[in-house]
Amino acid sequence: GAVVSQHPSRVICKSGTSVKIECRSLDFQATTMFWYRQFPKQSLMLMATSNEGSKATYEQGVEKDKFLINHASLTLSTLTVTSAHPEDSSFYICSARGPGQGVYGYTFGSGTRLTVV
Amino acid sequence: GQQLNQSPQSMFIQEGEDVSMNCTSSSIFNTWLWYKQDPGEGPVLLIALYKAGELTSNGRLTAQFGITRKDSFLNISASIPSDVGIYFCAGISGNTGKLIFGQGTTLQVKP
Repeated sequence: GAVVSQHPSRVICKSGTSVKIECRSLDFQATTMFWYRQFPKQSLMLMATSNEGSKATYEQGVEKDKFLINHASLTLSTLTVTSAHPEDSSFYICSARGPGQGVYGYTFGSGTRLTVV
Repeated sequence: GQQLNQSPQSMFIQEGEDVSMNCTSSSIFNTWLWYKQDPGEGPVLLIALYKAGELTSNGRLTAQFGITRKDSFLNISASIPSDVGIYFCAGISGNTGKLIFGQGTTLQVKP
């Protein structure tokens, strides 16, 4: 089945620094990747959708200059949280979808716990 | 916008008991999914529903897609401790292909 790998699983960074999170599709070509954010005891909120080779489409209220998304290849997308602040601390999850996968294309990574101190 | 309302918000049950949770929407979804999320992990797909009225099972899990395509329920029979986690319903938006998630149901099982 489709496997999505996300790294790192957890990261602690100082306020003002930038953090990069990677999302890789291991056994399929991910033409579309989705990035979500999840606060404790809450649901997943879609941040942005990225198609390979195109600029990401951000959801309303998500700052594109703060959450930089790059989807330069069919197997890798990255989310960079720039100038991180404590309120950016959250659980970030990606999902990757390839052509012809149907509902099984909504495969999720294992998430990244970001703590900004 | 499209929203999914999921209930109950949390459940605390005894091992062996059956569990039922449901999800409703103000709009129609053509595909409805149920996920489980373990602590510190991403969601894992449990069941996918495609047709109105469809009843689908996956082991001890059974889910049904409402006739109106605006609701669904998930049943877990004979719960075990490893059923603990957060269960999410999700609909695929026909226009955008995006997943719209419910608020989640946190399940705790007492051995």
